[in-house]
Amino acid sequence: DQQVKQNSPSLSVQEGRISILNCDYTNSMFDYFLWYKKYPAEGPTFLISISSIKDKNEDGRFTVFLNKSAKHLSLHIVPSQPGDSAVYFCAASSGNQFYFGTGTSLTVIP
Amino acid sequence: DAGVIQSPRHEVTEMGQEVTLRCKPISGHDYLFWYRQTMMRGLELLIYFNNNVPIDDSGMPEDRFSAKMPNASFSTLKIQPSEPRDSAVYFCASRPGVSYNEQFFGPGTRLTVL
Repeated sequence: DQQVKQNSPSLSVQEGRISILNCDYTNSMFDYFLWYKKYPAEGPTFLISISSIKDKNEDGRFTVFLNKSAKHLSLHIVPSQPGDSAVYFCAASSGNQFYFGTGTSLTVIP
Repeated sequence: DAGVIQSPRHEVTEMGQEVTLRCKPISGHDYLFWYRQTMMRGLELLIYFNNNVPIDDSGMPEDRFSAKMPNASFSTLKIQPSEPRDSAVYFCASRPGVSYNEQFFGPGTRLTVL
């Protein structure tokens, strides 16, 4: 059963606007959350992470928000750029167990 | 460092054949993970090693799948016999140590079983 869910398979956003990617999880024991970005024919690359003791982490144009009570996290990209077009995977971990979502394909329209 | 290296990048085989996927982790990384990516289930953890020792193989789908790590710089994932439903992209990833949450992924092997 999927412990990490990304319910939006795709998202299209105009360049310069905000992109919001969402992720839900079911296991309250997860203590670390990550976002990975994947271009075609390449492996996923780490983008940003957040510990369960925080509710926000920011790195340049990327911000991850964690709502533990709702078991929900989101990735905000602002402003969005055409180079951000990729598949974004949400992941949650407990110890060495990592659980990934099915990914959201983001297209940023110039 | 060249990053995680996987070979082959593409593999096409017929049902019933043995398939071996290879991975070279980043030097000095203590952990190695094998994942399978499908449209329906996303990235699934198959097995992971710590210091060459298999720690958790609960994600391995069935006995047709096996993985080894004979030394710190090499791992294999073998499927024997292969079936069409094994068609997927298989990723290898490595990680420096337990206090480091980020994993570094290889480019993946796209497997097609006809």
